[in-house]
Amino acid sequence: GAVVSQHPSRVICKSGTSVKIECRSLDFQATTMFWYRQFPKKSLMLMATSNEGSKATYEQGVEKDKFLINHASLTLSTLTVTSAHPEDSSFYICSAGLAGGYEQYFGPGTRLTVT
Amino acid sequence: EDQVTQSPEALRLQEGESSSLNCSYTVSGLRGLFWYRQDPGKGPEFLFTLYSAGEEKEKERLKATLTKKESFLHITAPKPEDSATYLCAVQAFSGSARQLTFGSGTQLTVLP
Repeated sequence: GAVVSQHPSRVICKSGTSVKIECRSLDFQATTMFWYRQFPKKSLMLMATSNEGSKATYEQGVEKDKFLINHASLTLSTLTVTSAHPEDSSFYICSAGLAGGYEQYFGPGTRLTVT
Repeated sequence: EDQVTQSPEALRLQEGESSSLNCSYTVSGLRGLFWYRQDPGKGPEFLFTLYSAGEEKEKERLKATLTKKESFLHITAPKPEDSATYLCAVQAFSGSARQLTFGSGTQLTVLP
C-alpha cells in the first residue's frame, strides 16, 4: 500500500515552454500532497503544499505564478512549470500521506531538463 | 526554525563492517523523526518513524534509535545493496501537519 506515482519520469523541453508533471496516489486518497525539488547531491527542498479543493501553499522564495499547482481530486496533484528556463532544470518529487498517519510516501521523481 | 544535520556526509564501508549514521535535530516540539533511503535518480523510500526518545525500530540490517537531540541509524553487517543515500527528516507540531524538514543526507557506499 501507499504507492505514489509520477508522470513523466523524464522530460526535456525548450526554454520558454511549459511542462506539466502529474502526481498520483494509486491506492489511497490524499487530501494533502507535497512538491519538492532536489538539486544534485543535495537534499529535498519543499516547494509547496497541495491541498485538495483549495489553493496551494507555497514556501518562501517559490514563485507561485511560475510553479502552478492544482489538486483537483483526492488522488491527483499536478505541478506545471510555466515558461521554463534552464535554471528550472532539476529533479521534482511529490509525496503524499495516509489519512491519520504522519509518514509521507514519495513518488519516483521527475527529471526536468530545460534546453 | 527547524534544523536537521546529518553526519557524516559520506561513508564507505566494507561488506560486513557495521557502523552508524547520525542525525542531529533542533525542532520546536517533535511530532516525529523519519528515516528514508534514496537510490540515485529515485524518490525516497520510507524506512522508519520514531516519535519519542528511547524508541527503537528495526528492519533487516537497519536499526533506528532516537534521543531528545539526535537519532542514529545503525547498519549491522551491511551488504553492497545497502548502498544508498540515507535521509533523516523531522516533523514538528507547529506548522503544516505533515511538513517535513530534511537533512542533507549520508551517502553510504558498501564495498564487496
